[in-house]
Amino acid sequence: NAGVMQNPRHLVRRRGQEARLRCSPMKGHSHVYWYRQLPEEGLKFMVYLQKENIIDESGMPKERFSAEFPKEGPSILRIQQVVRGDSAAYFCASQPGTSGRRDPPYFGPGTRLLVL
Amino acid sequence: AQTVTQSQPEMSVQEAETVTLSCTYDTSESNYYLFWYKQPPSRQMILVIRQEAYKQQNATENRFSVNFQKAAKSFSLKISDSQLGDTAMYFCAFMKPSASGGYQKVTFGIGTKLQVIP
Repeated sequence: NAGVMQNPRHLVRRRGQEARLRCSPMKGHSHVYWYRQLPEEGLKFMVYLQKENIIDESGMPKERFSAEFPKEGPSILRIQQVVRGDSAAYFCASQPGTSGRRDPPYFGPGTRLLVL
Repeated sequence: AQTVTQSQPEMSVQEAETVTLSCTYDTSESNYYLFWYKQPPSRQMILVIRQEAYKQQNATENRFSVNFQKAAKSFSLKISDSQLGDTAMYFCAFMKPSASGGYQKVTFGIGTKLQVIP
């Protein structure tokens, strides 16, 4: 059973470009989280999604950031018109959803975004 | 809203010794889950140990154990026989289930940087 997959692992963008980060959850998991980790800081919650639905986006910046988790395919975190302050590691985590087991979120390896 | 506090930004321990990392949290819930995650230099987030609030017995995983004090809202991590590979950031995390049977977002502390000294 493959773990949480994220790609790309490293992404370099120039200011003003768009960044697309992908996350494939563990098999059987229907819930996905996105977290951002700035250098030397902890993980900040961004958004919590299930397939075709955003459950909680209270941590998402109001502009330039969006996330989706379609019925088919990976979850996408999209950052438009990137700025240097967007440089960070972006982690995806997945959970099984409404099951009887209270599984913790399992994390992917992260995508390191560098904005030049 | 739930908050998780890790008051030790950095700690060090001699190899083979024991170290305890502290974590406190704030919640009005009675049923919830607590976790410790490890983030080594590779930056992969690795689940170390979990505790369910309704269980009084402290969780243990090999050299890792917790001291869960529900009344005090304290959840410390003890690492015995520290090894060089334990050098990492350690994050305490809180999660509560939602009424619908699903989950709510996991809240993390800011982390404690542990250095194991040879």
